[in-house]
Amino acid sequence: AQSVSQHNHHVILSEAASLELGCNYSYGGTVNLFWYVQYPGQHLQLLLKYFSGDPLVKGIKGFEAEFIKSKFSFNLRKPSVQWSDTAEYFCAVTPYSGAGSYQLTFGKGTKLSVIP
Amino acid sequence: DAGVTQSPTHLIKTRGQQVTLRCSPKSGHDTVSWYQQALGQGPQFIFQYYEEEERQRGNFPDRFSGHQFPNYSSELNVNALLLGDSALYLCASSLGTILSSYNSPLHFGNGTRLTVT
Repeated sequence: AQSVSQHNHHVILSEAASLELGCNYSYGGTVNLFWYVQYPGQHLQLLLKYFSGDPLVKGIKGFEAEFIKSKFSFNLRKPSVQWSDTAEYFCAVTPYSGAGSYQLTFGKGTKLSVIP
Repeated sequence: DAGVTQSPTHLIKTRGQQVTLRCSPKSGHDTVSWYQQALGQGPQFIFQYYEEEERQRGNFPDRFSGHQFPNYSSELNVNALLLGDSALYLCASSLGTILSSYNSPLHFGNGTRLTVT
C-alpha cells in the first residue's frame, strides 16, 4: 500500500518569505500526485495536480510543485507567501494502473502560519 | 453552483450508538467518496459509491456502511460507535469513478464533526 510523508508539521513564515513544503511518497508504480489546501473554516480545495509530462506543475494562487521521480518527492513551493496563505496543506497520491483512481492517500498535513 | 453539502455539521453520540451522516454531491457529479479525518491526521479513504453500489473500499471495518440514492446523494452509517470513531467525516464528489488528467479530482464538503463520548 502507498503512503505519504509530509516532513513539517507546522511552518511559520513572515510575509514575502519563500515557501517549500516537503512531500515524499512510497509506491513502486506510476502515481498521480496532488496538493490540497484547507483554509480556516473551509473545505479542502485542490491547489495543483500532476499526472504526466512536465514535472514542474503550476497551480492556483502562485503555487507550484516539482515531481522528482528518483526521490519519490513532490514538494510544494511559492516564491513569496502572503498572510492569506495561512492554511493547512495536504499532499496526496493515488496509484495509476491504466486508469486513475479517486482513492487518494493523504499525508498528515502541514500547517502554515504566515505572520503579517 | 452548489458544492458538496454535508449534514449535520456537528454530532455528539455515545459509545455503542449508531450514526448516519448525509451528503449531497456537487451539481453534475454522480460519484461520492467518504473519508475519515482524525485529529492531526490526513483524510483516510473509507469507500466510494457509484450507481448506488459500493465500488471501492478502504481499510475500514464492516461497522462502516453506506448507501447511494438515485439522486446521487449518499449516507454514511457507522454502527456500534467506538471512541476512536471521533473524527471529521468528509464527503467528496466526482464525475465517474475514473480519474484522468482531463477531469477534476475530488470536490470536498466541509465535513461532519463526530464526537463519541
